[in-house]
Amino acid sequence: QKEVEQNSGPLSVPEGAIASLNCTYSDRVSQSFFWYRQYSGKSPELIMSIYSNGDKEDGRFTAQLNKASQYVSLLIRDSQPSDSATYLCAVNAPTNAGKSTFGDGTTLTVKP
Amino acid sequence: GAVVSQHPSWVICKSGTSVKIECRSLDFQATTMFWYRQFPKQSLMLMATSNEGSKATYEQGVEKDKFLINHASLTLSTLTVTSAHPEDSSFYICSAREHSNQPQHFGDGTRLSIL
Repeated sequence: QKEVEQNSGPLSVPEGAIASLNCTYSDRVSQSFFWYRQYSGKSPELIMSIYSNGDKEDGRFTAQLNKASQYVSLLIRDSQPSDSATYLCAVNAPTNAGKSTFGDGTTLTVKP
Repeated sequence: GAVVSQHPSWVICKSGTSVKIECRSLDFQATTMFWYRQFPKQSLMLMATSNEGSKATYEQGVEKDKFLINHASLTLSTLTVTSAHPEDSSFYICSAREHSNQPQHFGDGTRLSIL
């Protein structure tokens, strides 16, 4: 079992729809959770950080964290073609020698 | 805020050349910097973790004598690919982080092509 798992996709949604990206992690003592967006040929860029259970909203993006279920998700409302990218989930745990564990990413395509 | 600058963006050089890539945190002090390599359509692969003033910690399978990492200050880390060969051609990305519970911020990456 991978430490951080994401659906590889591809996930395809129509423009204007809600895109839902999911991530599960195995280390129960994980404390910090991040979502990154990576366009093809570019480096990752941070979209959201979340540290406590519940929802955190930033514009069209909402991160949801459930530590009991070891689950973190990213919702993208009113999806746009420019949201088409690979989304990476990353988890920090004190047991991981200061490193972040990244999922392999979910590729999202938003069709006009 | 949290800007990480990485140079150069592109390098094309002959086999056997050594190449140095710089990574700078511009508006924060990076106690930890990370170096990644990514091949086309593949996941990020962590090469090494670097803490300011300490020797880098390399991931399994990464040759420390081949990929020299220096993190001499809280704002600068360098990766030197020594005696580069065509199989070293890849996209190299650095990231920097201020505290252990905070996110990594990535540079724009360096595309290395060895002829």
